[in-house]
This record gives sequence, structure tokens and C-alpha cells, in this order.
Amino acid sequence: GENVGLHLPTLSVQEGDNSIINCAYSNSASDYFIWYKQESGKGPQFIIDIRSNMDKRQGQRVTVLLNKTVKHLSLQIAATQPGDSAVYFCAENRANSGYALNFGKGTSLLVTP
Amino acid sequence: EPEVTQTPSHQVTQMGQEVILRCVPISNHLYFYWYRQILGQKVEFLVSFYNNEISEKSEIFDDQFSVERPDGSNFTLKIRSTKLEDSAMYFCASSVGLNTEAFFGQGTRLTVV
Repeated sequence: GENVGLHLPTLSVQEGDNSIINCAYSNSASDYFIWYKQESGKGPQFIIDIRSNMDKRQGQRVTVLLNKTVKHLSLQIAATQPGDSAVYFCAENRANSGYALNFGKGTSLLVTP
Repeated sequence: EPEVTQTPSHQVTQMGQEVILRCVPISNHLYFYWYRQILGQKVEFLVSFYNNEISEKSEIFDDQFSVERPDGSNFTLKIRSTKLEDSAMYFCASSVGLNTEAFFGQGTRLTVV
């Protein structure tokens, strides 16, 4: 079936450095992508989204890049802070559906002082 | 800030019993969802609901599951006869429209014993 997956299960960065979390997707028909942050014991929290007619979108300290040619999505976090430590999921709208999201497996980001 | 609220936060039930998980979506949202997350795994789509009917459901959402919007504010997930493998975090989410950010609740941890 279609797959949304993450390249690395864990990422450790020093406070103040930039973080890059990557995601590969296989459904070329997907046209909407979201990054979520999930802290322990909490629900996914929306970070940023991007539609397939864009290749870059910026938010506060975060940037999402979309490369449709290689079906790759990345989340860049600038000046990473301890509060950024969490599991990050990419998600795509499901194949042939606008209603639901297909989540990747998650990358655990650990920010060390 | 508006948020999706879920009750209870933790539910323990015996195998074979019925459970109802409750959610109050954000008030002006029109699309409602249930997802589940087995411990340590990715978030999985169960069902979406719009205009008082199911829009889409996954293969996980079999005849044991049902959803209902009994009034203008609540959205419930019922599991008719729980199995051990139903143990998971269940997240409710809502969105304003299709392919717009979905806001998640804090989840209900269901433990089937």
C-alpha cells in the first residue's frame, strides 16, 4: 500500500542548532502534507502544513520543504530549544481521499543543552 | 484558544465490554475524525464524519466500531465488544474543511484487560 515513512527514528541536536527532520512519501497523488509534534502523553499538535502547489512554506522558526520530484518532505526547526524535544510526524492526505491523514512513523527529536 | 476535548482521559475495561469514548470538537468545525495510536506506533486513521454521516473509514473500523454525533457538540466512538488489541490511545480531531489543519484532542487511553 501507500507509505509515508521517516528516514531516521531519532535525532539528537544541541540547543541553538538547527534541526532537519525528513520524510518520504510514496503516493504521488497526495496534495496536502502536515507536520505534527507530539509530546509524551499528549495528542498531535499542528506545526505547519503545505500543499502540493508549493515547495516551501515558513512559519515561526519552522520551514517545510516539499520536493515532489523525489517525494520528499522536510521540516527545519531553527535555533532548536529544549521545548522542541518531542516526536515529529509527517502526514499526508490519504490516497483518493480528502478526509483523512496518513501518518508516518515519527522521528524522536532530543534537544540537549 | 479553542480546543478539542476528550473524556475520559483513561478508560480501563474488561474484554468483551462496550466502551464509549467522548469528544467535543471545536465549535465551528465541520469535519470530525477518530484516530488511534498503539503504544510506540504511528497514528492510524479510523473514521471521518461529515454532515452527520461517515465520510470514510479504514479497514480497522470494522463492525465493532460506530460513531455518533448525538447532539450539536458531542462526537462519540463506540466499541461494541472490546478486544485486547483495542488497547491504544484514541484521538479525536476536527477541522474546518477538507485538507485544512486538523486539531487533535489530548486522547483517551483505552486499556482492555
